[in-house]
Amino acid sequence: NAGVTQTPKFRVLKTGQSMTLLCAQDMNHEYMYWYRQDPGMGLRLIHYSVGEGTTAKGEVPDGYNVSRLKKQNFLLGLESAAPSQTSVYFCASSATGRQPQHFGDGTRLSIL
Amino acid sequence: RKEVEQDPGPFNVPEGATVAFNCTYSNSASQSFFWYRQDCRKEPKLLMSVYSSGNEDGRFTAQLNRASQYISLLIRDSKLSDSATYLCVAFEGGGADGLTFGKGTHLIIQP
Repeated sequence: NAGVTQTPKFRVLKTGQSMTLLCAQDMNHEYMYWYRQDPGMGLRLIHYSVGEGTTAKGEVPDGYNVSRLKKQNFLLGLESAAPSQTSVYFCASSATGRQPQHFGDGTRLSIL
Repeated sequence: RKEVEQDPGPFNVPEGATVAFNCTYSNSASQSFFWYRQDCRKEPKLLMSVYSSGNEDGRFTAQLNRASQYISLLIRDSKLSDSATYLCVAFEGGGADGLTFGKGTHLIIQP
């Protein structure tokens, strides 16, 4: 019963490098989300998707891109990593926008 | 700007005591509410939904006060394992970005 799975769990990057975070859910949820969580800031929505092939910007989208080519997967890309993107990234999914979200266990990303 | 406000704490409470904390929301049109629990360096997990008439799940009771725009969480007979950060969440309608998370209240249960 996997739920929401994020890979990788940890990553250290150098400034300017690129990488992709993968989120996979096996609950057949339409909605998927990417958040970042920083000390004292709470969860902030980066991008979200309301279905396969759709994406939309959240509160803090700059510096990130996303894709939802398959319903079960939601990818978050950093094209040119910056130290300000050091954070814990959480993916979540839900059946509808008003239903509770189920979270993955996070990716801890450090940009040097 | 939609806001969900919580006292960050920490609340230091002896084991076995009852503890309660509130969360206020700014948008009177908010439609549904949830409490999540987040352990240190872990993901948020749904604790319970909050219903208009109030609801209970074991030692946990959630209440909604629409007139004053706050929700509350009461924990009875607190356990060491209740130590965590509790996030208040409001759904304000609209699309998938209608869910707003509070920054959380840190609870420490002391032996």
